[in-house]
Amino acid sequence: ETGVTQTPRHLVMGMTNKKSLKCEQHLGHNAMYWYKQSAKKPLELMFVYNFKEQTENNSVPSRFSPECPNSSHLFLHLHTLQPEDSALYLCASSRVTGGDVGIRPQHFGDGTRLSIL
Amino acid sequence: DQQVKQNSPSLSVQEGRISILNCDYTNSMFDYFLWYKKYPAEGPTFLISISSIKDKNEDGRFTVFLNKSAKHLSLHIVPSQPGDSAVYFCAASARGSQGNLIFGKGTKLSVKP
Repeated sequence: ETGVTQTPRHLVMGMTNKKSLKCEQHLGHNAMYWYKQSAKKPLELMFVYNFKEQTENNSVPSRFSPECPNSSHLFLHLHTLQPEDSALYLCASSRVTGGDVGIRPQHFGDGTRLSIL
Repeated sequence: DQQVKQNSPSLSVQEGRISILNCDYTNSMFDYFLWYKKYPAEGPTFLISISSIKDKNEDGRFTVFLNKSAKHLSLHIVPSQPGDSAVYFCAASARGSQGNLIFGKGTKLSVKP
């Protein structure tokens, strides 16, 4: 039990499909994150939700649409993806307090391996 | 342009010896640094962190050193064990960045029995 659960673990989809990635955290955290990890590249932050409000969108294409219905759940809705979107998508959560938000480490799920045909 | 750099893609060490993983950064606003460890098919796991007000933090076999003037940090593992074989990521966060982390590309450590 990692505390952060991602489903599915693997997903293969065509470019015209619509699918969603799900993330759930059981750690009582109030911030959640989506990262993308492509081969031979560092983890790239995609979206940040702090107290359910999106606070960061790192120039991510609109074919990726996040949703955070509450502080425990995070979704990434996918539509009309491109082959270059094939990657490992990681969800993370952390406890953010008002002051020094950098102190709390992020806890990661095991990721969804996404392959676009 | 990479703000966090791990210039060694891989490192091989004999069991029982010291492993030293290095990380350089360019952004002087970074004030919090973390090391994560990742096994295949698993997500990164938090290992150890250090605030910029310190130059060393130790936790068991793991010690992180920070040299702010050189914008360099390193992770020392001693003694190294075969179970330490994994990819190690260095990450940094800047004050006021909402805790957002900038990651390096990782270094794959292999500890040979």
